[in-house]
Amino acid sequence: QVQLVESGGGVVQPGRSLRLSCAVSGFTFSTYGFHWVRQAPGKGLEWVAVISYDGTDKYYADSVKGRFTISRDNSKNTLYLQMNSLRAEDTAFYYCAKDLPRYCRGDSCYLGGGLDYWGQGTLVTVSS
Amino acid sequence: QSALTQPASVSGSPGQSITISCTGTSSDVGGYNYVSWYQQHPGKAPKLMIYDVSNRPSGVSNRFSGSKSGNMASLTISGLQAEDEANYYCSSYTSSSVVFGGGTKLTVL
Repeated sequence: QVQLVESGGGVVQPGRSLRLSCAVSGFTFSTYGFHWVRQAPGKGLEWVAVISYDGTDKYYADSVKGRFTISRDNSKNTLYLQMNSLRAEDTAFYYCAKDLPRYCRGDSCYLGGGLDYWGQGTLVTVSS
Repeated sequence: QSALTQPASVSGSPGQSITISCTGTSSDVGGYNYVSWYQQHPGKAPKLMIYDVSNRPSGVSNRFSGSKSGNMASLTISGLQAEDEANYYCSSYTSSSVVFGGGTKLTVL
């Protein structure tokens, strides 16, 4: 079955870096785009970033642009989020989610913006 | 990338219908038919309930329906059940970003 499993969360000091991973199984990873979404404890959802199926297109929320980098390794079926210059306001549960494509052409599926499968999340706490 | 506007809370009795609104702009909700709705129970990951304004993923009850008019999208839940009590979020995709609503807490009385 479809599984997305995040890892790499933890407690980190302001200004430091952290890399999150999302291991994916149950479908052809390289065919789809993926998102990172975060949720501060007790708050709503905030979209963070998206990457296309082949990694050529990457988009970010203004709040993380220039500090976070989304990437993927299709040989390892793994999605990443490199987070630099972390701030207290980055404290949140971070979810990876598969994109529900607008359409697919062969092995390439183009971003559609719906998020149809989600991981269980990993907690990042930025605190001194 | 301003958040979409949702009511903070709605409530209804079992068997009734409720509607949650989601207001955006012509740059997001009004400009694209890529509105999605998510259900989130406490301590759980969100679940996709509606995509592309009005489509239901396989396995989602037909008691859930979506629509859009202009810059406002809506989620309607008919025949309310206790298990529907959760937080609901709308989102809009703009080809280079996703924006979520602030969320609506649904209470089943």
